[in-house]
Amino acid sequence: GQQLNQSPQSMFIQEGEDVSMNCTSSSIFNTWLWYKQDPGEGPVLLIALYKAGELTSNGRLTAQFGITRKDSFLNISASIPSDVGIYFCAGPSGNYKLTFGKGTLLTVNP
Amino acid sequence: NAGVTQTPKFQVLKTGQSMTLQCAQDMNHNSMYWYRQDPGMGLRLIYYSASEGTTDKGEVPNGYNVSRLNKREFSLRLESAAPSQTSVYFCASPYDAGTEAFFGQGTRLTVV
Repeated sequence: GQQLNQSPQSMFIQEGEDVSMNCTSSSIFNTWLWYKQDPGEGPVLLIALYKAGELTSNGRLTAQFGITRKDSFLNISASIPSDVGIYFCAGPSGNYKLTFGKGTLLTVNP
Repeated sequence: NAGVTQTPKFQVLKTGQSMTLQCAQDMNHNSMYWYRQDPGMGLRLIYYSASEGTTDKGEVPNGYNVSRLNKREFSLRLESAAPSQTSVYFCASPYDAGTEAFFGQGTRLTVV
């Protein structure tokens, strides 16, 4: 099946720093989704991307749908302590299925 | 709006016991999913249901069964629990097939 490779696996940053993470696939995706999971909670959708080259922002978050349709990037500007969590990329694979990357664990030091 | 509701939130089982995880969504979505989350493994699809009355295997279906009882409910059953099934289980329901999914709060299962 299709696999999504996320990097980095984990990040330790200082409050106020910018963060960048990415997701790649060997297959073409028509949709890229970025989720955040707070400790002890279920994942929550942050940004959805539907077109190659699309750049979408949600507050301090910006995500891009790669032109090749095989990658996507998520940037967080001016990080704050509540940005802590696991960030997942996801995309539809096969019929009705949604495939997730393994996640990027973000720690923000105040 | 409740969205996706899972019960129970926590469960401890002995090896060999059985249990059913319940999931209900009130968004009138056709599709529902069950995932398990293990450290360093991300979210892996166990089973999915594209519509009422249909179910299909995902990436890691062994040891599990599912029932799509009606449009709202999708249950996951462990017939004979094993320690390898210790995990956090999430039910999710997408707005449309293969699109953004809404997740429940999770069930934290420990098999001893």
